[in-house]
Amino acid sequence: DGGITQSPKYLFRKEGQNVTLSCEQNLNHDAMYWYRQDPGQGLRLIYYSQIVNDFQKGDIAEGYSVSREKKESFPLTVTSAQKNPTAFYLCASSIGVSRVADGELFFGEGSRLTVL
Amino acid sequence: AQKVTQAQTEISVVEKEDVTLDCVYETRDTTYYLFWYKQPPSGELVFLIRRNSFDEQNEISGRYSWNFQKSTSSFNFTITASQVVDSAVYFCALSGTNSGNTPLVFGKGTRLSVIA
Repeated sequence: DGGITQSPKYLFRKEGQNVTLSCEQNLNHDAMYWYRQDPGQGLRLIYYSQIVNDFQKGDIAEGYSVSREKKESFPLTVTSAQKNPTAFYLCASSIGVSRVADGELFFGEGSRLTVL
Repeated sequence: AQKVTQAQTEISVVEKEDVTLDCVYETRDTTYYLFWYKQPPSGELVFLIRRNSFDEQNEISGRYSWNFQKSTSSFNFTITASQVVDSAVYFCALSGTNSGNTPLVFGKGTRLSVIA
């Protein structure tokens, strides 16, 4: 089945540790996104990528890093510099940012990160 | 800057009641797209509808209907004869196009609880 796979679903980390969240898609989409969801805050854009080897910061990129070495993969690293990393992280993809009229965002099931 | 406001944080209704979820947006773009997504307890966001700024026709899909009014910058969503399965968080989102398509900006969401 085509879709987006995020892993792990639940993750615990100690303060000061970096952690990487995986996002893989087999939809052949050019654009991929990472959103963070906090209770009562909605979804906030962390990073997005329109094409392989290129990505742009979103509204809350500080303390996060990404890479886009393959079209199918867009991992997110939550670094120790992120002051409040406990949140629900959602990965999404679309045909293309420049073609938002052509297709909606497809979302993964999310990864819940808890910092102990 | 683009902004989406969902003033209703939580709504509870009894099954079979009609319910309207409000969405007000702000954008300087002349061409833009509006979306509604549903987030069930599983966490994955599900696309419901996309509407472009030139199409103000209301849309009905089964028990769902959408009322787009440019004059009031609103894109409200009505569920008729609500069911327990409609319980979810609903997000309204916006993407502008004047400066090239931008990633979706989401509202903070409205949590709908339908009680049997």
